[in-house]
Amino acid sequence: AQTVTQSQPEMSVQEAETVTLSCTYDTSESDYYLFWYKQPPSRQMILVIRQEAYKQQNATENRFSVNFQKAAKSFSLKISDSQLGDAAMYFCAYRRTQGGSEKLVFGKGTKLTVNP
Amino acid sequence: DTGVSQNPRHKITKRGQNVTFRCDPISEHNRLYWYRQTLGQGPEFLTYFQNEAQLEKSRLLSDRFSAERPKGSFSTLEIQRTEQGDSAMYLCASGGGPHQPQHFGDGTRLSIL
Repeated sequence: AQTVTQSQPEMSVQEAETVTLSCTYDTSESDYYLFWYKQPPSRQMILVIRQEAYKQQNATENRFSVNFQKAAKSFSLKISDSQLGDAAMYFCAYRRTQGGSEKLVFGKGTKLTVNP
Repeated sequence: DTGVSQNPRHKITKRGQNVTFRCDPISEHNRLYWYRQTLGQGPEFLTYFQNEAQLEKSRLLSDRFSAERPKGSFSTLEIQRTEQGDSAMYLCASGGGPHQPQHFGDGTRLSIL
């Protein structure tokens, strides 16, 4: 079974600084999707960024970028120029592309605090 | 696009009672997913529908849980004979296809007294 591990329960960053959140996963599949979702307190989960495993180029979305290391099964999220609104729980998630299953497998999350 | 809508936002009930939650997906999405999130954990998959067909169920979905999507639009998740361990946030998501991302609603928080 696929598993996703986020080893940092909590992280903090100063406003305008850069922070990196870690994620590792375990799978025997060769093709899959990886995601980072953001869940602000008492608000809905929002997709931050998505990576397809067959694409070697790391995905970027404005201030958010990933470092995808397929051989190491590592998928970290870098947030540049951190803003107060970035404070939230961040979840790393995995999904197969083949075999019919469309379920997302989530890690336990990292709580990000942004200090002014 | 009004997003995924879930009702109620909060449900408090006594142990042993039945509860039902509703999810209205984004209108053009044919896929609908249910997840459960307990405190300090990431969401865990429960089940998903493509149109009205329930295509996958987790082992977490015991026989006390049932989900339906009768007309391929909104879905309901019912829990019978609730137990303390059912206390959680129940999240619904919808998606437009097998390779499209899932969009989540605000969730229904269930508290069992």
